[in-house]
Amino acid sequence: DTGVSQDPRHKITKRGQNVTFRCDPISEHNRLYWYRQTLGQGPEFLTYFQNEAQLEKSRLLSDRFSAERPKGSFSTLEIQRTEQGDSAMYLCASSLAAGHGYTFGSGTRLTVV
Amino acid sequence: GIQVEQSPPDLILQEGANSTLRCNFSDSVNNLQWFHQNPWGQLINLFYIPSGTKQNGRLSATTVATERYSLLYISSSQTTDSGVYFCAVQFETSGSRLTFGEGTQLTVNP
Repeated sequence: DTGVSQDPRHKITKRGQNVTFRCDPISEHNRLYWYRQTLGQGPEFLTYFQNEAQLEKSRLLSDRFSAERPKGSFSTLEIQRTEQGDSAMYLCASSLAAGHGYTFGSGTRLTVV
Repeated sequence: GIQVEQSPPDLILQEGANSTLRCNFSDSVNNLQWFHQNPWGQLINLFYIPSGTKQNGRLSATTVATERYSLLYISSSQTTDSGVYFCAVQFETSGSRLTFGEGTQLTVNP
């Protein structure tokens, strides 16, 4: 059990570019979550997968955001046409099932310049 | 609306002191977790505690679901306890998402 891994740790991109982040959950966890955290705030929910099915999406997840978990293992979060307001820490978490705590990854810090 | 409120927002302690952090929530929950975010940004799960009391070393937590609050106790604080403590709840009416409070910033001085 190597925990939840996120890649990259940091990403600096120019406004208008597309970026993609990867999350590898704990292997036996079938639930995977994406959250976004801005400075001084608590994390905000973006989306939730159970196995490969995306079961919930926040209204924060605009049309420029898409997330996938193609084989029920790793997940990707893509942001198209990035804006300065997208600058944040993007956090991934996984859990074994309902009734279990979450394990968070170290996050990907995105800076849009 | 649905809310999670944490108090105090900031807390400064001397090493060795005890503290109590509070989390109030506005509706019935089926999941409540406490996290510690260290100065490097890593969120560490401390407790999964939708009800009852749990203890882990110097930390303990109690959730009284009927009264819609949870408490996190830190005893004999150490400098490594510094960071932000978040309460996060999954309301019965809000699917699988956790709603985080704004956190308590704890500073433990040597």
